[in-house]
Amino acid sequence: DSGVTQTPKHLITATGQRVTLRCSPRSGDLSVYWYQQSLDQGLQFLIQYYNGEERAKGNILERFSAQQFPDLHSELNLSSLELGDSALYFCASSVRTGASTDTQYFGPGTRLTVL
Amino acid sequence: AQTVTQSQPEMSVQEAETVTLSCTYDTSESDYYLFWYKQPPSRQMILVIRQEAYKQQNATENRFSVNFQKAAKSFSLKISDSQLGDAAMYFCAYRDPNSGYALNFGKGTSLLVTP
Repeated sequence: DSGVTQTPKHLITATGQRVTLRCSPRSGDLSVYWYQQSLDQGLQFLIQYYNGEERAKGNILERFSAQQFPDLHSELNLSSLELGDSALYFCASSVRTGASTDTQYFGPGTRLTVL
Repeated sequence: AQTVTQSQPEMSVQEAETVTLSCTYDTSESDYYLFWYKQPPSRQMILVIRQEAYKQQNATENRFSVNFQKAAKSFSLKISDSQLGDAAMYFCAYRDPNSGYALNFGKGTSLLVTP
């Protein structure tokens, strides 16, 4: 158990819908990263938050957005869902950003299926 | 953009034998971190080992060790005394200092361990 929690574990929805994925980082970790794992694209970085602020963006679609709340949990919002958005979405957390001891620990993932 | 290449989609090893998984990467940075993550059938992403580029010494963690060749931009993972529980997808990752220290992953190597 990495200490990172993600809910829900599984999500099945229809095209055009909107969903919210939730992540709670390890105790003491300030940085949260979101990744998408799909058969087509492999593991891709989406977005990073540090202590409530957006720090970096990767291959995140405009239909997707995220935020990190004062209690440091983060939510990834996916809207106007398409079949191609079906994937495993991971959240990872780390203590800081870039420190020599900075290692990302991954949550168990949320499996999103868009029908 | 930094890229990570794992040229072996699948590898097989017998129990108790040694196997080496290959990874090459491309970067113009001089100081960076490299990681190997394991993803068993449960889909959990588990950190196996990490290497700091400024350290000459290769990292080791029990049965896992790396061969880090900075000039060649090569970062291979050696698994000694392979066990059935080592069967998994293995991902090599480069931590990108120009993207919030997000992880840039290779496409993975599927390791099969036979009795």
